[in-house]
Amino acid sequence: GDSVTQMEGPVTLSEEAFLTINCTYTATGYPSLFWYVQYPGEGLQLLLKATKADDKGSNKGFEATYRKETTSFHLEKGSVQVSDSAVYFCALHLNTGNQFYFGTGTSLTVIP
Amino acid sequence: EPEVTQTPSHQVTQMGQEVILRCVPISNHLYFYWYRQILGQKVEFLVSFYNNEISEKSEIFDDQFSVERPDGSNFTLKIRSTKLEDSAMYFCASSVRGPYNEQFFGPGTRLTVL
Repeated sequence: GDSVTQMEGPVTLSEEAFLTINCTYTATGYPSLFWYVQYPGEGLQLLLKATKADDKGSNKGFEATYRKETTSFHLEKGSVQVSDSAVYFCALHLNTGNQFYFGTGTSLTVIP
Repeated sequence: EPEVTQTPSHQVTQMGQEVILRCVPISNHLYFYWYRQILGQKVEFLVSFYNNEISEKSEIFDDQFSVERPDGSNFTLKIRSTKLEDSAMYFCASSVRGPYNEQFFGPGTRLTVL
């Protein structure tokens, strides 16, 4: 079935370090792919998305490229900040239904 | 900035009791959703709601669950007779158009069934 697998955490990085959070997916059709972020005490917020192969989503210094050949949508940031500390969720959506399929979430802590 | 709100933030209940989780979606949104996340597991889709009826539901959303939009602002999830395995974080979400578009999530309600 359709699903998302993302890198397990928690991840702890020093400020200005490079971040990669891996995400791979399984889908029967052609999904759109998303990264959501949840800051402490808040709801899930859309961070970026890509709707077709080779699209790159970007926002707030984060990037992810939709790779159909590797069925991946890895999240990257060149230089993390303390304020990036949050839980990051990879998700996919098929155009044929209402459901989002989420990964388990990866907790990121950035230390000064 | 408009946001989705949920109450209560934490609900503790005894097994077999009914609970109602409340959500206030963003005012001009037309599509509403409930998700849940059991601790350490994935966020799972429960149900979507549009035009005063359920548009899609998952296998999890059995007869113990129901949703309602009792007035122009609230969107509720009722669990008729709670079980221990219903303990989870429940997220409400809404979107202006269909789910292909951005869904805005609330902060969640943590339900603990004892």
